[in-house]
Amino acid sequence: DAGITQSPRHKVTETGTPVTLRCHQTENHRYMYWYRQDPGHGLRLIHYSYGVKDTDKGEVSDGYSVSRSKTEDFLLTLESATSSQTSVYFCAISVDRARADTQYFGPGTRLTVL
Amino acid sequence: TQLLEQSPQFLSIQEGENLTVYCNSSSVFSSLQWYRQEPGEGPVLLVTVVTGGEVKKLKRLTFQFGDARKDSSLHITAAQPGDTGLYLCAGEKIGNEKLTFGTGTRLTIIP
Repeated sequence: DAGITQSPRHKVTETGTPVTLRCHQTENHRYMYWYRQDPGHGLRLIHYSYGVKDTDKGEVSDGYSVSRSKTEDFLLTLESATSSQTSVYFCAISVDRARADTQYFGPGTRLTVL
Repeated sequence: TQLLEQSPQFLSIQEGENLTVYCNSSSVFSSLQWYRQEPGEGPVLLVTVVTGGEVKKLKRLTFQFGDARKDSSLHITAAQPGDTGLYLCAGEKIGNEKLTFGTGTRLTIIP
């Protein structure tokens, strides 16, 4: 199994509070991704990183920011959480973004915004 | 509008039966992947197909990429309870290296 951990695994917070989710990898892979998974929508890309301090937006980036100061860590921040951000969040890593590269997923973080 | 539509959304069958699930789009993909996800875990890659018309077999699972590279199917022979899970297809559009995931098929195999 790829060495990917996510923390926390579960979090309940209130609307308007800031939340940071952490993804940590031990594989030294260049690419890291944050997805959210909601019923009826599959997995949707929030942000991704192609190196330290290099990040870009995905299809559902509004309300989220990311940072990557070290190869192994990719942080997802909800500056002011809203109920629509209640979801399961997955981090993924890949060696490259070359065609058909495998993405390895973490175990997920279940976030509930009340 | 979902770029990749999977059908059926839910499927429950008896152990030993055969089944096929589908992944369809109006867009052309340079490659397509199938993942399986179990409750409380992240998706795990099963297969990648990259050539139109390509067929790949993984034990009792057969994956096919459509000739026009717009669709794919997953066929399971003699389903077993261990096949239970959420099956996701994910495509990489030509010129856009980000993966787009389908809506998923939730499969339940009844012993």
